[in-house]
Amino acid sequence: GENVEQHPSTLSVQEGDSAVIKCTYSDSASNYFPWYKQELGKGPQLIIDIRSNVGEKKDQRIAVTLNKTAKHFSLHITETQPEDSAVYFCAASVGNEKLTFGTGTRLTIIP
Amino acid sequence: GAVVSQHPSWVICKSGTSVKIECRSLDFQATTMFWYRQFPKQSLMLMATSNEGSKATYEQGVEKDKFLINHASLTLSTLTVTSAHPEDSSFYICSTNSGRDEQYFGPGTRLTVT
Repeated sequence: GENVEQHPSTLSVQEGDSAVIKCTYSDSASNYFPWYKQELGKGPQLIIDIRSNVGEKKDQRIAVTLNKTAKHFSLHITETQPEDSAVYFCAASVGNEKLTFGTGTRLTIIP
Repeated sequence: GAVVSQHPSWVICKSGTSVKIECRSLDFQATTMFWYRQFPKQSLMLMATSNEGSKATYEQGVEKDKFLINHASLTLSTLTVTSAHPEDSSFYICSTNSGRDEQYFGPGTRLTVT
């Protein structure tokens, strides 16, 4: 089955700087890669996703890149703000089948 | 994105009792719902996939007789934790898609078994 690895497990960034979280996956059949933000005591919130026919996608301060050959994808957050502090999870799936999640990254924005 | 609700948001029960958690898709018909469990500071672990009108598919290691899932309508799926024990204490989260790739999650239910 699919295995998704995520690094780093914790990340502290000065407010205004950029944050990068990286994930690798094992199943070459995976073609859908979402990123979720989870705040304490809440369910995960979909913040951006990318499909295997695209190499990069951007939504305001958030961007995701995908390298299918190397089987890795990354989340980039620019101009970080205190409200970006949360746990971020990457995931992978084959179409609308079950998601396999990474282990999570706790991002802390230092004011 | 889709709106998913869960009820209750938190519940405390005594060991040996059963607890039912509801997951509702509020703005579209959810043919498939997923149930996850999340322990503190850990990732989400898929427990089962629930399809409307059919039996749920459980992940390896998840006891289907302990975690009963019913998906009787296109907007409601329920998870019943039977004979709950302290080790079942966790954060239970459901999600749904509309047949597309995107999964939208509910707010979660915190279960504490004393």
